[in-house]
Amino acid sequence: EVQLVESGGGLVQPGGSLRLSCAASGFNITNYWMHWVRQAPGKGLVWVSRIKSDGSITTYADSVKGRFTISRDNARNTLYLQMNSLRVEETAVYYCARGGINDILTGFSVWGQGTLVTVSS
Amino acid sequence: QSVLSQPPSASGTPGQRVTISCSGSNSNIGSNSLIWYQQLPGTAPKLLIYHNNQRPSGVPDRFSASKSATSASLAIRGLQSADEADYYCASWDDYLTAWVFGGGTKLTVL
Repeated sequence: EVQLVESGGGLVQPGGSLRLSCAASGFNITNYWMHWVRQAPGKGLVWVSRIKSDGSITTYADSVKGRFTISRDNARNTLYLQMNSLRVEETAVYYCARGGINDILTGFSVWGQGTLVTVSS
Repeated sequence: QSVLSQPPSASGTPGQRVTISCSGSNSNIGSNSLIWYQQLPGTAPKLLIYHNNQRPSGVPDRFSASKSATSASLAIRGLQSADEADYYCASWDDYLTAWVFGGGTKLTVL
């Protein structure tokens, strides 16, 4: 079964750091762009970051540039998101999602169940 | 404020046809594919439509979509209670070099 499972969410103080992981099974992430998307409670979807299949290209939403770092370990079939200097307004469920070889055409075909990040003092 | 604009809500009765609109600009919908996602209550989003009007395997043909210039629409015919969900449009934005989403449309089946 094709699956993505996020972990690493939790409660963190404003200004703190957290590292999210996304373990893939049933497919090899080596072939795909991978993404992080977040959703604040009761709000819509917001794209956060993406990384190319070989890790050579990373892109970020302006709101997280310089604070978040996306990375991948293809040997472990795992995607990561290092989040630093977290803000209260970044409280959200963070989803990892599988793009495609050209996901501008195909969108995100597989999503994880999400992990909740709560930024609060 | 989302880059793509969607109505916040839509509704219909079982069996009806409903449409949800999505509008953007030349840098996103006007230049790139339009994607639709369905998010059932309490679950992760699911890919519903890709490349403007293509359905992944397993998505019923009751769902269809179209795109024209900088606007798009999702149509659901033969509305069912199971279709009650949030629907999001999305596209790559060449100017922002980012994926952009609509604010989502909450579909209620009356």
